[in-house]
Order: sequence, then C-alpha cells, then structure tokens
Amino acid sequence: NAGVMQNPRHLVRRRGQEARLRCSPMKGHSHVYWYRQLPEEGLKFMVYLQKENIIDESGMPKERFSAEFPKEGPSILRIQQVVRGDSAAYFCASSPQGQPSYTFGSGTRLTVV
Amino acid sequence: KQEVTQIPAALSVPEGENLVLNCSFTDSAIYNLQWFRQDPGKGLTSLLLIQSSQREQTSGRLNASLDKSSGRSTLYIAASQPGDSATYLCAVSSTGNQFYFGTGTSLTVIP
Repeated sequence: NAGVMQNPRHLVRRRGQEARLRCSPMKGHSHVYWYRQLPEEGLKFMVYLQKENIIDESGMPKERFSAEFPKEGPSILRIQQVVRGDSAAYFCASSPQGQPSYTFGSGTRLTVV
Repeated sequence: KQEVTQIPAALSVPEGENLVLNCSFTDSAIYNLQWFRQDPGKGLTSLLLIQSSQREQTSGRLNASLDKSSGRSTLYIAASQPGDSATYLCAVSSTGNQFYFGTGTSLTVIP
C-alpha cells in the first residue's frame, strides 16, 4: 500500500499560469480532503470530496480554485491564473468511508514567481 | 467557528526528558481530536486519534489525553529522543469531515 500519493512534490508557476495538483488516495479510501498551509500559518481546510461529488467546499476561495475527484483517476486541485499569494504547501488526505482518521500525503509545494 | 491554540510554539529539551505539549480548542462539541507530527518539508504523520467519547490514547512513548469540558488536550512524550524533533500539530474535528489545526509546537530534543 503506497499511501497517499501527491504529485508533483514541487511546482513553480509564473503569475497568471494554471497549477494542477494531483492526489491519489490510499487503496480502499473513497474520501479525499485538500488542505493549504501558508507560510507561518496552520493548515486550513479547503475541500472534501467523494468520487464524483464535492461534499464540502466551504474552505475554497470563491474564484480561481476548483477541485474534482473523478470516477477514475486521481483527485485534482486546480488553481487558475495563479498569484504570489497562492504560494503554499497543499496537502491531500484520504480516509475510508465511515472512518474518522486521515492519512496525509507529503504535499505539493507551489511557488508562484 | 472552532479555534485551536497550541502552547508553547517552540520547545527545546535535553534528551531523556519527559515533556507535555498543550492544545486548547474553543468549541467543546467535537467529533474527534488527532495529534500529528510534521517533519520539515514533509507531510503529516498521524500519531494518535481520540474519539469524543474517549479520555486518552496511548502509543509507545506517547500518551494523549482529552478533556472536552475544558476544551483541552495534552500530548505527553516520555523519555524524549533526538528523533522526536519535529513540529507537533493538534487537529480538532466537529463533524468528522473537516479538521481545524493549531499552528503547532516545534520540538527540539538536544542530544
């Protein structure tokens, strides 16, 4: 069991470009969560997804950010027209259905230049 | 909205000491509380999960307690080792779907 896999580990984008972050949950996990960790701040919840459904997106910025978890393939967090303030570590976690315990991936560190 | 505070922000101890990390939260109606470890540039490793009906959990040299009525949890580390050096994060969930994280305690264990 490879755990929660996130890629890329590091991503550099110029202002105005798009960033796509991928997360493959642990085998058997059907719930995916995205968190953002800004420099010197705690992790903040962004979105909770199940296959083909967004369950809770209360932490997602209203513009430029979107997330999906298709029937096949990884969950994708997309950031359009990135700005410097989007520079952060983005973590994905997964859990089995009905279980409260998360397993986190190693994160994607996005740098906007 | 749930607010999670961790004290101290940083802690440095000599190897072998026992230590306590503190976590407080504002809304006592929680579903569970989880302690994580984060190494520099790495992801989070789950240490202990305490359900709202439980008072404590133990794993090896780690013991976590939960007092919902006072909005507090402690993580006790016995006989600290240099390999314990990391940032320790407390996270509280009210629904099981979303965790509120503290900003962590950065622990350094000096050989």
